[in-house]
Amino acid sequence: ETGVTQTPRHLVMGMTNKKSLKCEQHLGHNAMYWYKQSAKKPLELMFVYSLEERVENNSVPSRFSPECPNSSHLFLHLHTLQPEDSALYLCASSQDPGQPQHFGDGTRLSIL
Amino acid sequence: GNSVTQMEGPVTLSEEAFLTINCTYTATGYPSLFWYVQYPGEGLQLLLKATKADDKGSNKGFEATYRKETTSFHLEKGSVQVSDSAVYFCALRTYNNNDMRFGAGTRLTVKP
Repeated sequence: ETGVTQTPRHLVMGMTNKKSLKCEQHLGHNAMYWYKQSAKKPLELMFVYSLEERVENNSVPSRFSPECPNSSHLFLHLHTLQPEDSALYLCASSQDPGQPQHFGDGTRLSIL
Repeated sequence: GNSVTQMEGPVTLSEEAFLTINCTYTATGYPSLFWYVQYPGEGLQLLLKATKADDKGSNKGFEATYRKETTSFHLEKGSVQVSDSAVYFCALRTYNNNDMRFGAGTRLTVKP
């Protein structure tokens, strides 16, 4: 039990589909993050939320749309993705922004 | 900008061999430094950290010393086990940042 749960673990979708990734943390943390992990590349920070407010958006294409309805839940809505978006998407949380992060096991996304 | 560079893998060792994974950083200010480990099929887990120069982080037989003069935070273990096979990420955070910067990761495989 990592304290950060991501669903689904695997997702295959076509380029015209709409899907959402879900992340839930049970640690009472105030900050949540989305990362993209591609082979042989550094982890790419996508979004940072603190107390449900987005505090950072690292030039992520608009086909990725985050949502943080409360401090325990974080979503990543996907629409019209490209094959290069295939990757492992990791959610993390921390007590406050910049503190050591607890990661979920990720969602492996494949775009056909 | 802030960044982390770690040695490229993969690294393959025999059980009980000595491990070193090099990590150097570039940062403004005085960063905190971290090593994370990612086991197959899982998210990242914090392995150890150091928050100021000359601090030594240690956990599960792994050690890393914060060397300000060489801007390094090399990971070491005296005797690796098969169960240490994983991807290791070096990371930094500066005080005024909302996020952490990760290296590209180094894959370690330990053979019996």
